[in-house]
Amino acid sequence: AQSVTQLDSQVPVFEEAPVELRCNYSSSVSVYLFWYVQYPNQGLQLLLKYLSGSTLVKGINGFEAEFNKSQTSFHLRKPSVHISDTAEYFCAVRTGGSQGNLIFGKGTKLSVKP
Amino acid sequence: EAGVTQSPTHLIKTRGQQATLRCSPISGHTSVYWYQQALGLGLQFLLWYDEGEERNRGNFPPRFSGRQFPNYSSELNVNALELEDSALYLCASSLGGDSYNEQFFGPGTRLTVL
Repeated sequence: AQSVTQLDSQVPVFEEAPVELRCNYSSSVSVYLFWYVQYPNQGLQLLLKYLSGSTLVKGINGFEAEFNKSQTSFHLRKPSVHISDTAEYFCAVRTGGSQGNLIFGKGTKLSVKP
Repeated sequence: EAGVTQSPTHLIKTRGQQATLRCSPISGHTSVYWYQQALGLGLQFLLWYDEGEERNRGNFPPRFSGRQFPNYSSELNVNALELEDSALYLCASSLGGDSYNEQFFGPGTRLTVL
């Protein structure tokens, strides 16, 4: 069965500092990987996705993630965070085929302090 | 282009009652997904509808059911409400069930069971 582990439930950082949000997945088949962001009282917005090709994926708002098949990881990074990046971030996986649904990690709350 | 819409925004019910939540997908999208976001449990997949048919179901009891209408909008019904059903229910839509199609999320319906 597939699963997604987000290793940190909360990550506090200062404004303009770099940040890495960690995500590991478990799957015996090829996967598609996603990072979503959820701002307070809102739905989810796609930050970036890995389907195939280059293992370094660039997304919106200056975020990027690197797919590492050997370590089954898909960590999210940003070199310099802003107060407006304060939100909850979810890593998700879908397998190929017709399963359809996303499997989500439990989320990481990023808190950016001035 | 209008995004995924959900109604109502908030819903308050008492234990044992039934709740009906509605979702309108993005125009042209045929797949609708329902997820439950309960405190402490993260995002859990509930149901997936595509072209009017139920394609997949998460690990939820049968009192969680739904349907998809010919215009691809969808309804989620929760019967015999229990206190632990209190959660944010998110609907997402995509172009189809293929794993690489991005899911676009609505703002959610917050269900409170008293």
